[in-house]
Amino acid sequence: EADIYQTPRYLVIGTGKKITLECSQTMGHDKMYWYQQDPGMELHLIHYSYGVNSTEKGDLSSESTVSRIRTEHFPLTLESARPSHTSQYLCASSTLTGPYEQYFGPGTRLTVT
Amino acid sequence: GENVEQHPSTLSVQEGDSAVIKCTYSDSASNYFPWYKQELGKRPQLIIDIRSNVGEKKDQRIAVTLNKTAKHFSLHITETQPEDSAVYFCAASGTGGSYIPTFGRGTSLIVHP
Repeated sequence: EADIYQTPRYLVIGTGKKITLECSQTMGHDKMYWYQQDPGMELHLIHYSYGVNSTEKGDLSSESTVSRIRTEHFPLTLESARPSHTSQYLCASSTLTGPYEQYFGPGTRLTVT
Repeated sequence: GENVEQHPSTLSVQEGDSAVIKCTYSDSASNYFPWYKQELGKRPQLIIDIRSNVGEKKDQRIAVTLNKTAKHFSLHITETQPEDSAVYFCAASGTGGSYIPTFGRGTSLIVHP
């Protein structure tokens, strides 16, 4: 079944650690996105990609980086985690040419101690 | 860039009442307006969308209206049920491949039995 997957679902780490949040989709979508969201609150766009080798920064500077080496894979890396990074991270994907609906992953709940 | 305002931030209704959530947008180039529902602990999911060549769209108990001249669109839920309780997000986007959706801040709808 076509879907979008995120691992891990929950992560607790110490300050200063480097972490990578994984996102994979089997939807065949070109566009992919990362959002930061505190529970039930506003969606903040962190990064997005139009396809392989395309990465763009969103409105929220979160001291993170992304890569897009394969169409289906869009990992998010925090080089040095801080308590301010504690949040939920949602990955999403959509087509380039329509329909334009975004499909979201289940999210990674990150806690930085 | 696009700016989307969403009101109210919280809406409390009795079961069976109607609920209306309103959004305004700033970019006249936007022509795709989706609404997402996010239940507690779940991922956002599309419930209805509308394109700028249509003024109204209905799907059972939910409907969306669009006024391009005034640059506002609204979500209408009739005969609300407790399972409608969730956070609802509006968004605005163009439909070209380069467009990235801009989300409203969300409305927490609470339906009291």
